[in-house]
Amino acid sequence: AQTVTQSQPEMSVQEAETVTLSCTYDTSESNYYLFWYKQPPSRQMILVIRQEAYKQQNATENRFSVNFQKAAKSFSLKISDSQLGDTAMYFCAFMKKDNYGQNFVFGPGTRLSVLP
Amino acid sequence: DAGITQSPRHKVTETGTPVTLRCHQTENHRYMYWYRQDPGHGLRLIHYSYGVKDTDKGEVSDGYSVSRSKTEDFLLTLESATSSQTSVYFCAISRRRETNEKLFFGSGTQLSVL
Repeated sequence: AQTVTQSQPEMSVQEAETVTLSCTYDTSESNYYLFWYKQPPSRQMILVIRQEAYKQQNATENRFSVNFQKAAKSFSLKISDSQLGDTAMYFCAFMKKDNYGQNFVFGPGTRLSVLP
Repeated sequence: DAGITQSPRHKVTETGTPVTLRCHQTENHRYMYWYRQDPGHGLRLIHYSYGVKDTDKGEVSDGYSVSRSKTEDFLLTLESATSSQTSVYFCAISRRRETNEKLFFGSGTQLSVL
């Protein structure tokens, strides 16, 4: 079974600074996808960024980028120029492919506070 | 935003009572999921559906059942609610199983079992 670990339950960062959230996972699969989801206080789950395991190039979405280290099974999220609206829970998620649809596994989450 | 509606948004019930949560989608997506969210555990899969009347168990399925009689509706039932089922429940949908498909989430249902 796959597992996803986020070792930082809580983090804080000053507005406009850069912060990195850690995620490691365990799998024997070779073909999979990784995601970061954001959950603000509104409770809505919002996709931040995703990475395909067969792609070596790290994904980037505006101020959000990842450092994907497949051999180390590490998938960290870097937020540049942090904004107050980035305050949220962040979940790392793993998805494998199987015969009957996706199987997402989520990490426990990191609560990020952006301080003014 | 994907058209996913969860009802009710909040519910308080007593131990031993049956509870049904509803997820309704207007996207005609094939795959639907029920997750529960608890502190320290993230989201854990309860059940999922890969088509009408086709469902399967997830990681934490004990005490829960589901039904999907129409593409657009996926029901989660707690036959006899327990305090350990107090949680936030999320429905999610996805279009297909092909590459890099992502989940679209509903707004969640906060369930409190007293």
